[in-house]
Amino acid sequence: DAKTTQPPSMDCAEGRAANLPCNHSTISGNEYVYWYRQIHSQGPQYIIHGLKNNETNEMASLIITEDRKSSTLILPHATLRDTAVYYCIVRPDNAGNNRKLIWGLGTSLAVNP
Amino acid sequence: DAGVIQSPRHEVTEMGQEVTLRCKPISGHDYLFWYRQTMMRGLELLIYFNNNVPIDDSGMPEDRFSAKMPNASFSTLKIQPSEPRDSAVYFCASGRFNSPLHFGNGTRLTVT
Repeated sequence: DAKTTQPPSMDCAEGRAANLPCNHSTISGNEYVYWYRQIHSQGPQYIIHGLKNNETNEMASLIITEDRKSSTLILPHATLRDTAVYYCIVRPDNAGNNRKLIWGLGTSLAVNP
Repeated sequence: DAGVIQSPRHEVTEMGQEVTLRCKPISGHDYLFWYRQTMMRGLELLIYFNNNVPIDDSGMPEDRFSAKMPNASFSTLKIQPSEPRDSAVYFCASGRFNSPLHFGNGTRLTVT
């Protein structure tokens, strides 16, 4: 499975947009990009996923480049509660392939007042 | 939906003792996963089940670890005997075919 590269840490001012990059240059055609986040003392929480097109939900937007080698998670108006570790993962579109998710160490996002 | 429920939230035990961690997945989810998280290694998959059957246990560290899923609503992860290096946060997650994972809030295990 393709691996991902993320910056280890980022800062963002409260109320501003947080743009979290992810590099997945070896992604295959059938692999989705998934984003999760982990708030301190909690389990990881699903945010959003996509294959080729940009996606938006109530939590965030996902922008995937045309060549699919990188993506950006956007939190449009970051709040203090968005302080967390954000994981970018690629996952094949096959049942059971959850087992091979490579989580990495993610990006630790600090939202500052 | 109560989410994935894990118990206990915290467990402190002495080396050599048996430890049992418990998980109740979300109703209707047919996949269940056990993960371990440490600062050094991040999140590691230990084992996963599909329809209560263990599919891949290649991540289980050694024979001291065992996991069972006697029915669709309950799973256990057992460590016997426990060692200090087993200290970590253990997460259970559940999901459906090709759907995102839903995680519990974990069990923080400390072995002294």
